[in-house]
Amino acid sequence: DADVTQTPRNRITKTGKRIMLECSQTKGHDRMYWYRQDPGLGLRLIYYSFDVKDINKGEISDGYSVSRQAQAKFSLSLESAIPNQTALYFCATSDHPGSKLFFGSGTQLSVL
Amino acid sequence: AQRVTQPEKLLSVFKGAPVELKCNYSYSGSPELFWYVQYSRQRLQLLLRHISRESIKGFTADLNKGETSFHLKKPFAQEEDSAMYYCALRSGNTPLVFGKGTRLSVIA
Repeated sequence: DADVTQTPRNRITKTGKRIMLECSQTKGHDRMYWYRQDPGLGLRLIYYSFDVKDINKGEISDGYSVSRQAQAKFSLSLESAIPNQTALYFCATSDHPGSKLFFGSGTQLSVL
Repeated sequence: AQRVTQPEKLLSVFKGAPVELKCNYSYSGSPELFWYVQYSRQRLQLLLRHISRESIKGFTADLNKGETSFHLKKPFAQEEDSAMYYCALRSGNTPLVFGKGTRLSVIA
């Protein structure tokens, strides 16, 4: 049961290209997040959204943008990809401040 | 600023041995602390949270405000415990802040 679905699962792109990673959820949660995972660096927050009209920068938002198209959809864009954006990207959702996060299965992005 | 420190990148233990994954945090207020786990080929998922004071899969964690720690413990490690473990902190309405993670390897 893929409550939080990320597409694509894997993507290889070239430096300078624009790329979009998509996340959709069927959990009915208001809150959505984008994290990136790098070996030795753990999970770092890129952007988050507490509802459709709310967008907030995270710890490492430079070089990224997001769009909250609907409650169920939260897309992450790299306007001009660079090699150090090669990472595993996770989308997550939650329904209120004290609740746990539900993660997608991740998108492995490689920028050559 | 909120910070979570997991000093060990890799921890290897033998099956049946006790396990302690360390987590220290820096935050002046009253944080909420969590442990998340990522098993091979599975999604990252919540293991336990300090407010629940529960034991999940034999793991426990006690919040020690004096030492600003939230170490994860299990008395007898099992092979299926091998995974990546992340300690995380939240305060108020802010998103979770994660540590860098510790990979636990349980050797048969």
